Amino acid sequence: GQSLEQPSEVTAVEGAIVQINCTYQTSGFYGLSWYQQHDGGAPTFLSYNALDGLEETGRFSSFLSRSDSYGYLLLQELQMKDSASYFCAVRGGSGNTPLVFGKGTRLSVIA
Amino acid sequence: GAGVSQTPSNKVTEKGKYVELRCDPISGHTALYWYRQSLGQGPEFLIYFQGTGAADDSGLPNDRFFAVRPEGSVSTLKIQRTERGDSAVYLCASSSSSTETQYFGPGTRLLVL
Repeated sequence: GQSLEQPSEVTAVEGAIVQINCTYQTSGFYGLSWYQQHDGGAPTFLSYNALDGLEETGRFSSFLSRSDSYGYLLLQELQMKDSASYFCAVRGGSGNTPLVFGKGTRLSVIA
Repeated sequence: GAGVSQTPSNKVTEKGKYVELRCDPISGHTALYWYRQSLGQGPEFLIYFQGTGAADDSGLPNDRFFAVRPEGSVSTLKIQRTERGDSAVYLCASSSSSTETQYFGPGTRLLVL
């Protein structure tokens, strides 16, 4: 089976940088994804790492180390609208197999 | 283009009743997923369709839960003899074969009284 661990809550100041960590245990690994979910909203895709290293998309970056079973999401130049829950997720298999999600990290951005 | 849509957005029912939740995926997406999300938790997988067939239904909690996708597009999640523990947000997602991304609908908030 799969399990993922991420902090339950993080608070950061507007304009700052925040890192949300995720460690995972999986029977097979097919990449680490990150999703953002605002209260009452749908999860929306942020990034995906299949290989080790850093992927950058605007203010958001995601990192993966397969040897350490570890990844993180980095949010730069935080804005109030970034206050949301962030989920890391792994695939159970190749192709379009379903995602296994962590419990989520609730990010609060304060002025 | 239109995203994933789900109806109803909210459903209140009484314990023991039958409910149907509908998902309309993005046009052309062959893969369709149902997840369930409880407050403060991540989405939990229920069932996954590739085309018309259920490729993996290992997440369905028991035989009261059933889902269909008869024409490979719209899917219906059916819950019989609802229990209070079934109260949650039921999320549907779809994806194409060429992308990693799953696109989620807004969910159906089910409350069983």
